[in-house]
Amino acid sequence: DGGITQSPKYLFRKEGQNVTLSCEQNLNHDAMYWYRQDPGQGLRLIYYSQIVNDFQKGDIAEGYSVSREKKESFPLTVTSAQKNPTAFYLCASSIGGRDTQYFGPGTRLTVL
Amino acid sequence: DAKTTQPTSMDCAEGRAANLPCNHSTISGNEYVYWYRQIHSQGPQYIIHGLKNNETNEMASLIITEDRKSSTLILPHATLRDTAVYYCIVRVKNTGNQFYFGTGTSLTVIP
Repeated sequence: DGGITQSPKYLFRKEGQNVTLSCEQNLNHDAMYWYRQDPGQGLRLIYYSQIVNDFQKGDIAEGYSVSREKKESFPLTVTSAQKNPTAFYLCASSIGGRDTQYFGPGTRLTVL
Repeated sequence: DAKTTQPTSMDCAEGRAANLPCNHSTISGNEYVYWYRQIHSQGPQYIIHGLKNNETNEMASLIITEDRKSSTLILPHATLRDTAVYYCIVRVKNTGNQFYFGTGTSLTVIP
């Protein structure tokens, strides 16, 4: 099956620890995105990548880092510098930067 | 960026058509209208998009007014599984590649 996978679905970490969220797609899409969603709110863009080895900051990049070493993978690291990391994290991909975005199932991160 | 305005919540009887409105009065000529929905604790699901003409697919119909300042998403025969938050988004074409998701309309389909 083609699609976008995110793992794990639920993740718990202690305050002060870095944590990496996985996002993989087998749709052969060039562009990939990370969004954050807080309860009762819309999505906010963290980072996006239009092509391998290139990525740009979104609206709320502070405290996060990404890499895009392979076309199919776009991992997100939530660092200890992120003040409020507890949230629902969504990964998306699109054929090109201007095309329809398709979303993964999300990872719910809770920092204790 | 063109902003959108949607009602916070709506109810619809099962089997009836659900009509979800969206205002986007500052939309520019090359911006598309997209609709997504999100069932609780899942990733958003793409529904449909359009520029000027009305569009229909297996999930829904999109009606865009002639002046493009508003649109309506129609789910022709709502089922309980259509209960979700529906997002109307106007796509920024020239700056970045972002989809700006607001708070959407929470649709509840009632048995």
